[in-house]
Amino acid sequence: SQKIEQNSEALNIQEGKTATLTCNYTNYSPAYLQWYRQDPGRGPVFLLLIRENEKEKRKERLKVTFDTTLKQSLFHITASQPADSATYLCALLRGDTGRRALTFGSGTRLQVQP
Amino acid sequence: EAGVAQSPRYKIIEKRQSVAFWCNPISGHATLYWYQQILGQGPKLLIQFQNNGVVDDSQLPKDRFSAERLKGVDSTLKIQPAKLEDSAVYLCASSSQSPGTLQETQYFGPGTRLLVL
Repeated sequence: SQKIEQNSEALNIQEGKTATLTCNYTNYSPAYLQWYRQDPGRGPVFLLLIRENEKEKRKERLKVTFDTTLKQSLFHITASQPADSATYLCALLRGDTGRRALTFGSGTRLQVQP
Repeated sequence: EAGVAQSPRYKIIEKRQSVAFWCNPISGHATLYWYQQILGQGPKLLIQFQNNGVVDDSQLPKDRFSAERLKGVDSTLKIQPAKLEDSAVYLCASSSQSPGTLQETQYFGPGTRLLVL
């Protein structure tokens, strides 16, 4: 069956360090993968999109990698700040003949300590 | 630019009652989505519209859930009758692109938190 797995345990790191979050998937052929940020009581906010033929994407302090062989995406926040504390969701769009809809992982909560 | 608006923000009902949620997407966005997010999980797609037509409702429990977007702008999602397991946040999202296109970015509203007792 198809699965998108994100670490359900919260990630606690010290301010200034790099946070690395993982998104693993099975039985998908994604056309692209997106990362969203979700704060308590709010809807997800789009951060970055990376396509199946791209290895890496950057935006300010954010970096996403996409390894279709390992079936994994890594999301990095460099020089992390307490304001980066939130839940981060990955989402896949199928690239095959399946439903053309985003499927979300369950998210990983990041806590940046001052 | 105003974001996606949803109302109400919170709703508490008893099981077997009915409830309706309203969504106003970003102006000009042709594509609209309804998601259900259970506590501790990611959003799960219920239905997607392009203008006033349904693109995908394969995940919508049609025995109790219904949704419409009559004029291709606002949308309502209804649950009748509600069950305890319907307790969740119902998120509306909109997009200016067609569903599933490679450039698509979805913009989410704040959600409606439903508690069924």
